[in-house]
Formats: sequence, C-alpha cells, structure tokens
Amino acid sequence: QKEVEQDPGPLSVPEGAIVSLNCTYSNSAFQYFMWYRQYSRKGPELLMYTYSSGNKEDGRFTAQVDKSSKYISLFIRDSQPSDSATYLCAMSEQTSYDKVIFGPGTSLSVIP
Amino acid sequence: KAGVTQTPRYLIKTRGQQVTLSCSPISGHRSVSWYQQTPGQGLQFLFEYFSETQRNKGNFPGRFSGRQFSNSRSEMNVSTLELGDSALYLCASSLSGVNTEAFFGQGTRLTVV
Repeated sequence: QKEVEQDPGPLSVPEGAIVSLNCTYSNSAFQYFMWYRQYSRKGPELLMYTYSSGNKEDGRFTAQVDKSSKYISLFIRDSQPSDSATYLCAMSEQTSYDKVIFGPGTSLSVIP
Repeated sequence: KAGVTQTPRYLIKTRGQQVTLSCSPISGHRSVSWYQQTPGQGLQFLFEYFSETQRNKGNFPGRFSGRQFSNSRSEMNVSTLELGDSALYLCASSLSGVNTEAFFGQGTRLTVV
C-alpha cells in the first residue's frame, strides 16, 4: 500500500459543478497537508495548505483534513474551464522538503 | 517579480551520456530543491540546497548530483543516463526551505533514447 493514495481520475465535470478531490494516507504523523495544481507542461503551483485537522477556505477552494480518518479533500465550487489541470495532494510530518510525500495526482477536465 | 526559471525546457540525450540542468530561483530565495516527476512514480524528491550546501537528499543513486552557487542558482547533473531517467525534472525555490512556501519552475523535460 502506498503512503499516499489519490482518486486516480480522470475526472470530467460540466462548468459550474462542485468538484471533490480526495486523498487517503497511512502515516498518522503527517501534520502538513497541501494541494497543488499542475497545468499541462507547467510546474506544480501550491493552492492551499493546512496544518493539522480542520477546514480552510480560499475563494472557490476549500481544503478539509480529517486526521481521524486519514482523509483529505479539496472542494472546488463553481468550477471553471480554467480549473482543468492535474491536482496533487502532498503531506509531511515537518516543513522540510525531504519529508513531503506527493500523491499521484487526479486529472480534472471542466467542460464548458 | 520573475519566477523560477529552468533551462533548457526540453532535452534529448542518448543512454550513457551525462546531462546538466539549470535552475535560477526567485530573487532572494536561498533554498532550491529538485524533483523528478514520472507517470509511474509521481513527484519524487531528489535533493535540496541551501546557501551552497546540500541539506537534504532523497533516495536516488549517486549518478544524480547537484550544486548551488553563491547567487543561489543551482545545477543538477545526471551521469551515465539510463532510459528510466526520462522524466520531467522540476526545481522549486523558497526563502528558507519551508515546503509550504515553495514555488516551482516549469521543469525540464528530459528524454533518454
């Protein structure tokens, strides 16, 4: 079993839909939870990060962390074609680079 | 403010050759980290440099090496290339090496034939 698993996708939704992207993990010591967006032929861009459990909202994006279930989610409201990208979850015990474990990514297409 | 710049964007090399990739971090950033991204393994950490010193290293063979210069620019070298080294190589920079503050470059797409 991989340390971080992510819904494989690809996911295709109509414009305006609510999108739910999910990751599960096995290491209960993870404390930092991140979501990256990666457009084709580009590097990942950090969307949001959360420390420990709880919710965090930024515009149309909401990140949720449930440490008891070892489950994190990213919700995108009113999805736009510009949201079409691959979304990577990542998590770590500490803030140093070598401790970050990335999920394999979920490809999302938002159809106009 | 200029972002993280990686050169070249695309590269084709032959098995057995060596390659050097370059990364210019955001001005003022002292930490540069390198990653390998492949469809099978995803994004994997190679190493991190801070103020010209390698601070962390991932689980890659010694054929993968790097260095950082006094202006924080970094280079990554892969010797004796193998077909499995074909990947997108990404670098990220941050002020102090905190992963939640990192900005990624666009990557160098390396193809080994």
